[in-house]
Amino acid sequence: SQQGEEDPQALSIQEGENATMNCSYKTSINNLQWYRQNSGRGLVHLILIRSNEREKHSGRLRVTLDTSKKSSSLLITASRAADTASYFCATDAGTSYDKVIFGPGTSLSVIP
Amino acid sequence: ETGVTQTPRHLVMGMTNKKSLKCEQHLGHNAMYWYKQSAKKPLELMFVYNFKEQTENNSVPSRFSPECPNSSHLFLHLHTLQPEDSALYLCASSQVGGALKEQYFGPGTRLTVT
Repeated sequence: SQQGEEDPQALSIQEGENATMNCSYKTSINNLQWYRQNSGRGLVHLILIRSNEREKHSGRLRVTLDTSKKSSSLLITASRAADTASYFCATDAGTSYDKVIFGPGTSLSVIP
Repeated sequence: ETGVTQTPRHLVMGMTNKKSLKCEQHLGHNAMYWYKQSAKKPLELMFVYNFKEQTENNSVPSRFSPECPNSSHLFLHLHTLQPEDSALYLCASSQVGGALKEQYFGPGTRLTVT
């Protein structure tokens, strides 16, 4: 079964709006990561948050982690058309140090 | 440019062909990965190599055969594939040791099996 699941599956917003994506997971983790994938390309790492952290920022990205609810959110502020992509969360499943499990992703469309 | 290259970028092969996908990382990482990404399905981890040793084979059919001659190169040998094997195959590398760090992905090989 999947370790992480993103919600919503698809999101369409206007340029300038904020986009929020959520990720839920099932087992304990050491860290959680978010990745972006432009259509048909490789994934690009965005941000990593450790299990003892609650919030992390990187530019227009804000990630929160609630280990009691086994959930994380990715907020993209002031979205741009170039943010159009699929976004994936990935967790290390807590017991493995050399692999992560990816969720099915959220497809974000930012309309100019 | 992530420091991970994959060749070829596109591949069309018949079900009786034998071909190989190549991945090279220039980041000095000690772990490399093969993933399969099919339409409307989550990214599937296929194989993990850690210091050239295979540490994960995620129930992948034997028609997929990985090879890791050193920590910078990873191959995926393909033979007698099925049409449902058509997908984007992604290679990634990471530096492991203690807590897992981020993975760096190549651009992928788009495989079509006819």
